[in-house]
Amino acid sequence: GDSVTQMEGPVTLSEEAFLTINCTYTATGYPSLFWYVQYPGEGLQLLLKATKADDKGSNKGFEATYRKETTSFHLEKGSVQVSDSAVYFCALRGVGFQKLVFGTGTRLLVSP
Amino acid sequence: DAGVIQSPRHEVTEMGQEVTLRCKPISGHDYLFWYRQTMMRGLELLIYFNNNVPIDDSGMPEDRFSAKMPNASFSTLKIQPSEPRDSAVYFCASTLTGVITEAFFGQGTRLTVV
Repeated sequence: GDSVTQMEGPVTLSEEAFLTINCTYTATGYPSLFWYVQYPGEGLQLLLKATKADDKGSNKGFEATYRKETTSFHLEKGSVQVSDSAVYFCALRGVGFQKLVFGTGTRLLVSP
Repeated sequence: DAGVIQSPRHEVTEMGQEVTLRCKPISGHDYLFWYRQTMMRGLELLIYFNNNVPIDDSGMPEDRFSAKMPNASFSTLKIQPSEPRDSAVYFCASTLTGVITEAFFGQGTRLTVV
């Protein structure tokens, strides 16, 4: 079945450092790919999405490119802030399968 | 729209008691999901509905858990009897049919069973 694999955390960075959180997936057909963010004490919020190969999703300085050849959707940000500290979830929604499949989440800690 | 609304936000109950969690999806959404989040197991899909009909309940941990969706604007997740290992944050999410559409999450209910 469909699955998502994320790098384990926590990822600890200093403010203004470059961020990469790896995400790879297994799915039949052409799924849509998503990154969600969860701030402490809150629900999951959509951060960005890409619905077809080579699409780049972007929001709040975060970017991720849908790479079908490597089945990846890595999250990047050029300069992180303390306020980016949160848990990040990679997810997919496959053709014919209406549920979202989530990765295990990666906790990001940014220090001043 | 106010988004997905869950109630209560926090629930503390004694072991053996019945607990009912409530969810109001976004108007017009035809899919509703219940998730459970714990430190040990992460985010788990418990059950989901399409047009008020349960489609997949394979994630429901045991018979003590049940979920209903009597109409398009309301769903409940019930635990009877509750146990300390049920302590978790329970999320409800809703979405529209279509592979490109994302799910919208509620704020969650933090359940503590003592």
